[in-house]
Amino acid sequence: GESVGLHLPTLSVQEGDNSIINCAYSNSASDYFIWYKQESGKGPQFIIDIRSNMDKRQGQRVTVLLNKTVKHLSLQIAATQPGDSAVYFCAERGYGQNFVFGPGTRLSVLP
Amino acid sequence: NAGVTQTPKFQVLKTGQSMTLQCAQDMNHNSMYWYRQDPGMGLRLIYYSASEGTTDKGEVPNGYNVSRLNKREFSLRLESAAPSQTSVYFCASTGESKNIQYFGAGTRLSVL
Repeated sequence: GESVGLHLPTLSVQEGDNSIINCAYSNSASDYFIWYKQESGKGPQFIIDIRSNMDKRQGQRVTVLLNKTVKHLSLQIAATQPGDSAVYFCAERGYGQNFVFGPGTRLSVLP
Repeated sequence: NAGVTQTPKFQVLKTGQSMTLQCAQDMNHNSMYWYRQDPGMGLRLIYYSASEGTTDKGEVPNGYNVSRLNKREFSLRLESAAPSQTSVYFCASTGESKNIQYFGAGTRLSVL
C-alpha cells in the first residue's frame, strides 16, 4: 500500500549550517510531494511542493529534490536559523484527494 | 481572516461519552479534512469532504462521524469515546491549490 516514511527521526544542526531532511516513499503513482513544517503547539504549515515530473524545485531558503529512481525526497534548508526548529513532514498526494504523511523529523537548531 | 478555527482546544472525556469537534474556515475553500496525530506518527486522515454536501472515509474512520454543515463548517463527532481515541485532532482545508492545506491549531483530546 501507500506509505511515506523518513530515514531520521531527529536532526540537530548548528545555526547557519545547511539542513537536509530525507523522506522515502513507496507509491510511484503519486502526482505531488509536499513538505510541511509543524511548530510546537501549532498545526502543520505548507513549505513547498514538487510535481512528480520535476526533480528539483527551489523556494525561499529551501530546495526540494525528488529522485524517482530510488523513491527518495529531500528538503534542504539553507543557513538554518533558530526559527527553523520544528517537526518536518513529507506527504504525498495519493488516490483522489487523500494525502499520506510520513512520521516526521524533528529539526533542532543549535546556537 | 482567521483561517481555520477549531474548538475546543482541549477536552477530557470519560470512556463512553460523546462529543463533537468543531471546525470552520473563512477562506471559501471547497475541501475540508479531519486528521488525527499520535506521538511518533504522521497525520492520519479520518474523513474528508471534497465539497459541500459530500463526505468520504479516510484511513482511520472507525469510531467517528462527520457532518459538512455548510461550505464553512465541518464537524467531527465521537459517539462513544474510547481511550484509543486519545490524540490531537487537526482540521484542514484546501482551495484552488490542492497541495496547500491550511490547518487549524488542533484539539487535544484525552479519553480516560
